Amino acid sequence: KQEVTQIPAALSVPEGENLVLNCSFTDSAIYNLQWFRQDPGKGLTSLLLIQSSQREQTSGRLNASLDKSSGRSTLYIAASQPGDSATYLCAVPLVSGGYQKVTFGIGTKLQVIP
Amino acid sequence: DGGITQSPKYLFRKEGQNVTLSCEQNLNHDAMYWYRQDPGQGLRLIYYSQIVNDFQKGDIAEGYSVSREKKESFPLTVTSAQKNPTAFYLCASSPGQGTVRNEQFFGPGTRLTVL
Repeated sequence: KQEVTQIPAALSVPEGENLVLNCSFTDSAIYNLQWFRQDPGKGLTSLLLIQSSQREQTSGRLNASLDKSSGRSTLYIAASQPGDSATYLCAVPLVSGGYQKVTFGIGTKLQVIP
Repeated sequence: DGGITQSPKYLFRKEGQNVTLSCEQNLNHDAMYWYRQDPGQGLRLIYYSQIVNDFQKGDIAEGYSVSREKKESFPLTVTSAQKNPTAFYLCASSPGQGTVRNEQFFGPGTRLTVL
């Protein structure tokens, strides 16, 4: 069974700082990993998807890396802004019994202080 | 606009009632999913469907039922057998297994409260 852990659970930083969010998973037989953002009371917004054959993926100020062998992924946010305040979740799909099931971490709640 | 819609946004249920949550997508995705989110817990999978007329139980299927009669629609019924249904329910879809980029997209969610 896949287990996904996100550290830290919460993070508060001043505006402008660069920061790193961590995600670890127990079963490295994955074929991709997805990072999401969730605002309070809203659905999840997809930020980045990294295929298992990729080492990293970039979108604007966001950079996600993947190290399958060690079971880790990081989400790097450059020059943080108050609008980045949200909960960030990572998700890892695993194929079991011919079907894909996705396991989510609990998330890291980020607060960027103006 | 392509996307996933969920309705209603808020739903109140009395004890002993069945209620149905709607999920519709116009992304032409084969796979659809229902998750439940509770405070302090990660998303938990209720049911998923990889293709029309086929669905599988997730980790917490007891007290829930689904149907997948159309590709665009994956309604979730919360039955009276679900003892603690108050939660935030999220529907998602993805292109499907076997696609190169099987990225999940989510709807805005339905908040269900038992009175």
